[in-house]
Amino acid sequence: AQSVTQPDIHITVSEGASLELRCNYSYGATPYLFWYVQSPGQGLQLLLKYFSGDTLVQGIKGFEAEFKRSQSSFNLRKPSVHWSDAAEYFCAVGAGTGGFKTIFGAGTRLFVKA
Amino acid sequence: DVKVTQSSRYLVKRTGEKVFLECVQDMDHENMFWYRQDPGLGLRLIYFSYDVKMKEKGDIPEGYSVSREKKERFSLILESASTNQTSMYLCATRGEPGRQYFGPGTRLTVT
Repeated sequence: AQSVTQPDIHITVSEGASLELRCNYSYGATPYLFWYVQSPGQGLQLLLKYFSGDTLVQGIKGFEAEFKRSQSSFNLRKPSVHWSDAAEYFCAVGAGTGGFKTIFGAGTRLFVKA
Repeated sequence: DVKVTQSSRYLVKRTGEKVFLECVQDMDHENMFWYRQDPGLGLRLIYFSYDVKMKEKGDIPEGYSVSREKKERFSLILESASTNQTSMYLCATRGEPGRQYFGPGTRLTVT
């Protein structure tokens, strides 16, 4: 069955420190992969996406993610976290024809301490 | 930019009431979705629509129905609201393959 796992429910990092949020997926074919961010009380905003090609993708707000087929992973990284990055982050897989059905992970809440 | 709007940000209803949540998009997307979001569960798909008057059940359709009479509008209906339907409801449209555009959400409380 298709699934997305985000092993960390919440993570706390210091401002200026590096960040890595983990995501593993289960899907038979090469999926469409996404990271979304949700600020408190808001909808989800796309950070970045992977469809094909270069396995290291750049997104908005200084985020990047790397697709590793052998590990079925799509981890999100940022070299230096800002207090405004505190939010909930969702990894998602677009499955089926044209990625029609999107499967979301349970989310990782990021706390940033001064 | 795609704009997806939802009729209410916060809503409080009583058990047994009929509740309508409205979603409107301005990008002429064919596909629209309704999710509910609960802590620790991520987003779960309630219903989706791939064209006007066309709808399909998602993973958790029980207790909900939908209506899509016009391409830009997709409504979620709670026929008889119950306390276990207290949640955040998110509407989304689908543009390029796989990518979804989300509205700001409606936080519904059923008392």
